[in-house]
Amino acid sequence: DTGVSQDPRHKITKRGQNVTFRCDPISEHNRLYWYRQTLGQGPEFLTYFQNEAQLEKSRLLSDRFSAERPKGSFSTLEIQRTEQGDSAMYLCASSERNGRANSPLHFGNGTRLTVT
Amino acid sequence: DQQVKQNSPSLSVQEGRISILNCDYTNSMFDYFLWYKKYPAEGPTFLISISSIKDKNEDGRFTVFLNKSAKHLSLHIVPSQPGDSAVYFCAASASNYGQNFVFGPGTRLSVLP
Repeated sequence: DTGVSQDPRHKITKRGQNVTFRCDPISEHNRLYWYRQTLGQGPEFLTYFQNEAQLEKSRLLSDRFSAERPKGSFSTLEIQRTEQGDSAMYLCASSERNGRANSPLHFGNGTRLTVT
Repeated sequence: DQQVKQNSPSLSVQEGRISILNCDYTNSMFDYFLWYKKYPAEGPTFLISISSIKDKNEDGRFTVFLNKSAKHLSLHIVPSQPGDSAVYFCAASASNYGQNFVFGPGTRLSVLP
């Protein structure tokens, strides 16, 4: 059983460059989430998909951020024109739909972005 | 405005004793609560959850208590083991208001041998 996989694990980029991260969720999970975590803080919600539909976006997600999940499987998160404030751990999580009951999130190990 | 609060940034406990981690929330619409454990360089790992229709849920050494009137939950770990040393996050969601899970800032637990 493979868990949530994220690639790359680390990314160092110069300010102004674009970066793209990939997430492969647990195969039977149809919900996929992106979170961002900075030092000393808990994960902050960015966006979530149910299958290929992006159903919710945080106000944290500026127009420089875009996420896709084209076939309802893997997802990508792109950050355009990166800024130093974008430096953080980007976490992907998935969960299965279970009627009206909630299901826990299962996280990947994250992509650590450093913008210099 | 922090909807989920963990007011103790750190906690130290002797091995074999009970660890009690606390969490407070402000949004009365929250109806599902979770605890996660995080080791350095890894993603958060799900530990235990509780629905608002219950006031206690137990799984092995881990028990979560929910006090809805006080908007408070706690995680008890007994007996504590050195491998429990990690950062613990409390999270909450409101199932009728989207699927966003809101996390607290975390409490670093150190279990001393």
